[in-house]
Amino acid sequence: DTGVSQNPRHKITKRGQNVTFRCDPISEHNRLYWYRQTLGQGPEFLTYFQNEAQLEKSRLLSDRFSAERPKGSFSTLEIQRTEQGDSAMYLCASSSTEGPSAYNSPLHFGNGTRLTVT
Amino acid sequence: RKEVEQDPGPFNVPEGATVAFNCTYSNSASQSFFWYRQDCRKEPKLLMSVYSSGNEDGRFTAQLNRASQYISLLIRDSKLSDSATYLCVVTHFNQAGTALIFGKGTTLSVSS
Repeated sequence: DTGVSQNPRHKITKRGQNVTFRCDPISEHNRLYWYRQTLGQGPEFLTYFQNEAQLEKSRLLSDRFSAERPKGSFSTLEIQRTEQGDSAMYLCASSSTEGPSAYNSPLHFGNGTRLTVT
Repeated sequence: RKEVEQDPGPFNVPEGATVAFNCTYSNSASQSFFWYRQDCRKEPKLLMSVYSSGNEDGRFTAQLNRASQYISLLIRDSKLSDSATYLCVVTHFNQAGTALIFGKGTTLSVSS
């Protein structure tokens, strides 16, 4: 399977603990996005990378959140001192800016990591 | 005002019905538009891009009105398998680059 891979699929943690999620994008995709989705809402943009550069961060992304993509391939999203409000599905997506339809390049999503903070 | 707003839904329609979803966006500089479909507890998947001239893919027709900052999706001859949440997506450009902004989604339920 050469799609976007995320792990773990599920994470249950106690409030105050740190968690880290991993995303492996489609190998030839240079853009990688992180979104958060809660029940009844659309995905909320958190941040995105072009290669290893983090180009934009949403105001939703508090100081407790950090994302990296050190070699321009996989990415990690860390949440420090988790709070119950962090409970959500965290979705990773990738896309390519190569080719004639760069600006219409669709996102390919992974299955997501469901975080539950107790 | 939210960047991307959609009809609240849910839409409950019988098989064979025609249903239309609307979406408005606030950033007049937005350039690319999409409709994504999301099944329950699954990840979003691209349904279709939306082009300025409008485009059709089988039973699905997407329209864009830049002057009104409005996007629509029309589904003809609804099938049970069309039941899902439909997400309107708009690209947001700034000096840093590009981000894709999702609407809340509109839920469609097609019944027999």
